[in-house]
Amino acid sequence: DTGVSQNPRHKITKRGQNVTFRCDPISEHNRLYWYRQTLGQGPEFLTYFQNEAQLEKSRLLSDRFSAERPKGSFSTLEIQRTEQGDSAMYLCASSLVGTPPGEYFGPGTRLLVL
Amino acid sequence: QKEVEQNSGPLSVPEGAIASLNCTYSDRGSQSFFWYRQYSGKSPELIMSIYSNGDKEDGRFTAQLNKASQYVSLLIRDSQPSDSATYLCAVSLTGGGNKLTFGTGTQLKVEL
Repeated sequence: DTGVSQNPRHKITKRGQNVTFRCDPISEHNRLYWYRQTLGQGPEFLTYFQNEAQLEKSRLLSDRFSAERPKGSFSTLEIQRTEQGDSAMYLCASSLVGTPPGEYFGPGTRLLVL
Repeated sequence: QKEVEQNSGPLSVPEGAIASLNCTYSDRGSQSFFWYRQYSGKSPELIMSIYSNGDKEDGRFTAQLNKASQYVSLLIRDSQPSDSATYLCAVSLTGGGNKLTFGTGTQLKVEL
């Protein structure tokens, strides 16, 4: 297993378009997290899943954002009607409940909204 | 007050010196503490985790935790130019799904 993977790595879109990102976690990991990072800031929590259940969403997460993990394996993050303020790096991380040491991040998807 | 605070730097140290990075957190319920290294344009890489008061050493890295003072630090011994990166402090609450709250990071520059 080579770690968390994310696709696409880069996405340029026009304002108002919908975009979807995919994350494939480390295979035995049952928790999957989405974070967003803008320049000069640390990653900001968006949502997380344990298996297929979405257990928490950040109160900062707009209704335009939706995430799924239908079979408890890969996850998708969709942003509808993108805005320029959505431009950021979207990071996926995974972990295994009950085992330290922490979360492992994928390479991220960099989104630019024009 | 920010939940996790770090000095943004840059912190400049000469090659071979000890780099000391500091982090304070506001939530006394925080149980797990992590240091991530992030190179420019890359994703965060986990380098250290610590859960109990005291020191934890791993190679050239030592993490220190003081829950009474709500303070976490990372020492990098024999700093190398390849250590130049942004170091992110992250904390999580037990029972909170282990979601991480990050500081803004400290930029470290190791100079030849």
